[in-house]
Amino acid sequence: DTGVSQDPRHKITKRGQNVTFRCDPISEHNRLYWYRQTLGQGPEFLTYFQNEAQLEKSRLLSDRFSAERPKGSFSTLEIQRTEQGDSAMYLCASSLGLEAGGAYEQYFGPGTRLTVT
Amino acid sequence: AQTVTQSQPEMSVQEAETVTLSCTYDTSESDYYLFWYKQPPSRQMILVIRQEAYKQQNATENRFSVNFQKAAKSFSLKISDSQLGDAAMYFCAYRRARSLSGAGSYQLTFGKGTKLSVIP
Repeated sequence: DTGVSQDPRHKITKRGQNVTFRCDPISEHNRLYWYRQTLGQGPEFLTYFQNEAQLEKSRLLSDRFSAERPKGSFSTLEIQRTEQGDSAMYLCASSLGLEAGGAYEQYFGPGTRLTVT
Repeated sequence: AQTVTQSQPEMSVQEAETVTLSCTYDTSESDYYLFWYKQPPSRQMILVIRQEAYKQQNATENRFSVNFQKAAKSFSLKISDSQLGDAAMYFCAYRRARSLSGAGSYQLTFGKGTKLSVIP
């Protein structure tokens, strides 16, 4: 068990560019979450996958954001036409759901810090 | 919707002393989970302690313990014998209880956090 990993750890981009982040969950975890954490705030839920299906999205996830989890393994989060307000830490977490014998405990990755200039 | 409030943006404690971090929450549900997570600088968030709402006994993990007051919707974290490595942001979080079917996202709702400094 190598834990949840995220890549890149830091990303600086210019306003209007597209960015993509990757999350590799703990291998046997069937649930994967994306959160956003801005300065001085706690993490806020963005979206969640159960296996490859994206089952819930928060209102924070505008139509410029898209997330995928092909084959139920790693996940990507893409932000199109980035804005300065997108600057934040993007956290990924994974867990094992009841349907897979787990207890929903979420394990977090180190995050990707996005700076939009 | 559930909300979590941490009213102490920053706290400090002398090494080896005890400190208590406060958290209140609002929910209409009777069963749920509460958590304290620790986020050290530039490091990932880790779970410190968990409390199930239907359990009256307060959770304890080594030097960490909670004071769970369900009627008051209060969930404070006590750190005893504070160590330099305890310095971090601490987040209180809420999660709904498991349903029989297990359906739903079970996402966490976090407070804004308390920055804990440990003075040598």
